[in-house]
Amino acid sequence: GENVEQHPSTLSVQEGDSAVIKCTYSDSASNYFPWYKQELGKRPQLIIDIRSNVGEKKDQRIAVTLNKTAKHFSLHITETQPEDSAVYFCAASKGTGFQKLVFGTGTRLLVSP
Amino acid sequence: NAGVTQTPKFQVLKTGQSMTLQCAQDMNHNSMYWYRQDPGMGLRLIYYSASEGTTDKGEVPNGYNVSRLNKREFSLRLESAAPSQTSVYFCASKTGMRGYTFGSGTRLTVV
Repeated sequence: GENVEQHPSTLSVQEGDSAVIKCTYSDSASNYFPWYKQELGKRPQLIIDIRSNVGEKKDQRIAVTLNKTAKHFSLHITETQPEDSAVYFCAASKGTGFQKLVFGTGTRLLVSP
Repeated sequence: NAGVTQTPKFQVLKTGQSMTLQCAQDMNHNSMYWYRQDPGMGLRLIYYSASEGTTDKGEVPNGYNVSRLNKREFSLRLESAAPSQTSVYFCASKTGMRGYTFGSGTRLTVV
């Protein structure tokens, strides 16, 4: 089955710096790659997603890139702010109808003022 | 429009007790899921229901059962709770090609 690895497990940056979180997946048939943000004690919430027919997607300060050949995808956050501090999860799934997500183990991002 | 509603939010059980975690969604989603979240292990799939009337095992189904009561509701039952089932449980639902919508979670402690 699919396996998703996520690095780093923790990431500390200064406010205004950029942060990059990387994930690799094992199943070349995977075609959907969402990213979730989970604040302390809250539910995971979708922040951005990308499909396999797209190499990059951007939404304001966040962007996701996908390299299908290498089977890895990354989350980029620019101009980080303290409110970006949270745990971020990547995930992967395949199929066009029903899908079940396989999650990475999460990255705790701490943005210091 | 409440999204995905989970009950209870917190629960403490003694080893061997049983309980059912309830989940309901009002978004007319076809697929529903139960995940558990443990420190350092991300979210692991327990059971899922691709559509009303179907259920299937995920990655960590042992010790759990599920019921897809109708399109809205998907419950998770622990028949004989064990300390290893101490975790945060999330229900989620999905339709189409978008990501999941998660419930607010149930924090379960088994003593």
